[in-house]
Amino acid sequence: EVQLVESGGGLVQPGRSLRLSCVASGFNVEDYGMHWVRQAPGKGLEWVAGINWNSGNLGYGDSVKGRFTISRDNAKKSVFLHMNSLTAEDSALYYCGKAGIGTLWKVVDFWGQGTLVSVSS
Amino acid sequence: DIQMTQSPSSVSASVGDRVTITCRASQDISSWLAWYQQKPGKAPNLLIYATSSLQNGVPSRFSGSGSGTDFTLTISSLQPEDFATYYCQQTNSVPLTFGGGTKVEIK
Repeated sequence: EVQLVESGGGLVQPGRSLRLSCVASGFNVEDYGMHWVRQAPGKGLEWVAGINWNSGNLGYGDSVKGRFTISRDNAKKSVFLHMNSLTAEDSALYYCGKAGIGTLWKVVDFWGQGTLVSVSS
Repeated sequence: DIQMTQSPSSVSASVGDRVTITCRASQDISSWLAWYQQKPGKAPNLLIYATSSLQNGVPSRFSGSGSGTDFTLTISSLQPEDFATYYCQQTNSVPLTFGGGTKVEIK
């Protein structure tokens, strides 16, 4: 059974940093790309970042480019999102997502339950 | 960046109705479009990828069509469990972008 468990969310002050983690199980993590997608309360979905299976292909949403970094550790079956210079606009539920295989790596075919990030003084 | 526009933003329908949701891309995305369903308090769930390919386990009453800039998600006969919000997403190029969502409500 595929499982994605996010952690690392919480309340953080504006301008500070936070690192989110996503531990995967139930599939060969090293074969798949992974994504982070966020959703502010009552709002729609916003793609944050994605990384392909070997970290050779990375991408970021415009609102986080230069502030957030996605990385992975296949040995630990984990994907990370390093978030710097946080603002109130970054407050959201952050979902970790498993990508499809091969050319479908930009499709999120399985989602975790999310970890909540609140940015406030 | 590619902008995705969904319409309508909400629709009221009855069980058994045929429901159609439209998604328009700001530029040609070929067939690189996915649809997701999200129920309140739950994570999204992939329904369709590459415009018309049904994800494993998704009922056949869901179908997708289109190409280029105009796409459609159709629910042929709405069931009680289908009341949810639906999002399209272009998977053609980074940054990946979602439509604003369509909420399907009970009439």
